Amino acid sequence: KNEVEQSPQNLTAQEGEFITINCSYSVGISALHWLQQHPGGGIVSLFMLSSGKKKHGRLIATINIQEKHSSLHITASHPRDSAVYICAVNYGGATNKLIFGTGTLLAVQP
Amino acid sequence: NAGVTQTPKFQVLKTGQSMTLQCAQDMNHEYMSWYRQDPGMGLRLIHYSVGAGITDQGEVPNGYNVSRSTTEDFPLRLLSAAPSQTSVYFCASSWALNQPQHFGDGTRLSIL
Repeated sequence: KNEVEQSPQNLTAQEGEFITINCSYSVGISALHWLQQHPGGGIVSLFMLSSGKKKHGRLIATINIQEKHSSLHITASHPRDSAVYICAVNYGGATNKLIFGTGTLLAVQP
Repeated sequence: NAGVTQTPKFQVLKTGQSMTLQCAQDMNHEYMSWYRQDPGMGLRLIHYSVGAGITDQGEVPNGYNVSRSTTEDFPLRLLSAAPSQTSVYFCASSWALNQPQHFGDGTRLSIL
């Protein structure tokens, strides 16, 4: 069992829909990251958060430390949002090591 | 802005060959890491470095070697390539603990 669980694994949405991707982890963390990877492409950091909520454009990330759960929301989805979204956690310590989820493949259809 | 640069982008090797994947960053980041990405699995840490001259093993270090002689460069060496090392390799850097990591574009490696 992966220490970082994402759901759903695959998601298809129509353009304009509100999208939610979930991430759960097993023990206390120092930070949680949301990353985006386009097909065949590199990986881009979207958010890093340790508490509360962050917003950037149409993207919103929230984290509930007590429930060990984070969500990534996309408002007014667009086909260019189609990508793999990856959750990763820092379990602390002096190494900056990340543990990654397996990703959520999002396809937004026009 | 170069960011994190990985070379080569693609490589095909025969079993038993050795090679070095290059990673360079121009952001003066102390922390650098190598990951491999395989279908159906999350990225897994191979080796990491918290500064020049300091390296340590990650989750899947066997068959790989690293060194960090400068802040900028963090090469990954495959000592004797095996088909199980067929993967996409990503290098990443960050300027401090618990800070966003900047990823290179990846190296797609096939071992025949």
